[in-house]
Amino acid sequence: DADVTQTPRNRITKTGKRIMLECSQTKGHDRMYWYRQDPGLGLRLIYYSFDVKDINKGEISDGYSVSRQAQAKFSLSLESAIPNQTALYFCATTRTGVNEQFFGPGTRLTVL
Amino acid sequence: AQSVTQPDIHITVSEGASLELRCNYSYGATPYLFWYVQSPGQGLQLLLKYFSGDTLVQGIKGFEAEFKRSQSSFNLRKPSVHWSDAAEYFCAVGPSSGGYNKLIFGAGTRLAVHP
Repeated sequence: DADVTQTPRNRITKTGKRIMLECSQTKGHDRMYWYRQDPGLGLRLIYYSFDVKDINKGEISDGYSVSRQAQAKFSLSLESAIPNQTALYFCATTRTGVNEQFFGPGTRLTVL
Repeated sequence: AQSVTQPDIHITVSEGASLELRCNYSYGATPYLFWYVQSPGQGLQLLLKYFSGDTLVQGIKGFEAEFKRSQSSFNLRKPSVHWSDAAEYFCAVGPSSGGYNKLIFGAGTRLAVHP
């Protein structure tokens, strides 16, 4: 089984809809991250969390919110999706003292 | 400002040829440097990383990278490319100590391999 899982893997939705992307990990890591990937822009950080009580905005947090339901679960929400949020979304994890991040398989989101 | 530049958006090489992917960074503190690979439909997999010590680091799949502090570069190399190396490659930089382990990624280089 994969250590970092993301659901759904693909989602098509309409403008204005609320969407939640979920990330779960079995690595026992305390730190979790959400990125979006756009062609030609690489990965950009949306939100990150050190533990269930620590949530921080990344460089592109507008239009997104997150919830750290447990150490192993970190969800990303789009309250009212818009077309320019069409992208590939990645969850990543690491633990204190380790600099390498471990990535999930990604969620491809299309907003029509 | 902290940034990572990958000057080549697309590179095409023939199978068996050598490969070098360029990465330049701007970072205020001593950085940790990473190369990740993203195969089609897959997440990011770590190829190699540099923290300290020997400036030539070996990674998986026959890749290596050389850290050159004077040039702020961390170029990725492979002496003989295989068709399965076709993928997108990302260079990233992060803090060497403390902080939130936030990584800054380059825009990526897409590699195509001709038979």
